[in-house]
Amino acid sequence: GEEVAQTPKHLVRGEGQKAKLYCAPIKGHSYVFWYQQVLKNEFKFLISFQNENVFDETGMPKERFSAKCLPNSPCSLEIQATKLEDSAVYFCASSVSGSGSKNYGYTFGSGTRLTVV
Amino acid sequence: DQQVKQNSPSLSVQEGRISILNCDYTNSMFDYFLWYKKYPAEGPTFLISISSIKDKNEDGRFTVFLNKSAKHLSLHIVPSQPGDSAVYFCAAMGSARQLTFGSGTQLTVLP
Repeated sequence: GEEVAQTPKHLVRGEGQKAKLYCAPIKGHSYVFWYQQVLKNEFKFLISFQNENVFDETGMPKERFSAKCLPNSPCSLEIQATKLEDSAVYFCASSVSGSGSKNYGYTFGSGTRLTVV
Repeated sequence: DQQVKQNSPSLSVQEGRISILNCDYTNSMFDYFLWYKKYPAEGPTFLISISSIKDKNEDGRFTVFLNKSAKHLSLHIVPSQPGDSAVYFCAAMGSARQLTFGSGTQLTVLP
């Protein structure tokens, strides 16, 4: 399809529980990005993939966060032992390779709102 | 250390007039700049981009200007319409392809 599909839209977890978020990129897009929006307007880059390979993971908290993009499956972002500070909206974006992404930007999903209580 | 800054959290403009949103950056290695528009409960939507080797790019009512020596870019919307009311994010891209976002400007276009 022509949209980036993120599921679930909302997720509530108790502190210490696991959270798993999913992202289906646009077919044919080879790059996938995850961003965390903690405060209302602050986007933090987490990780990017080129196909199923990690491209850049400089934004990922090492201890509790992990992500995968496997062939023929939605990409996933998993948070082990969630903390209150993980409460945020998590956005996934995808793009074509090469110069296309620079001219046309990335296509973002509508996000998953994670609330840790 | 904020590499991309939008110093105006909000802007109100009368319908039909020009909206000018500003953005400053500090990293001279950024080679592309993009503007996104965001409505509540939705993801950011791409508006327009500009390469660091250009100083202007236009698409319909939207024009982006880049002043590389001042490390400053601006988005002009003319004429502004009530449907343009949203949060506008400036973003910059370097060789790692990830986007570095500013903190956004809430634009309100008054009818």
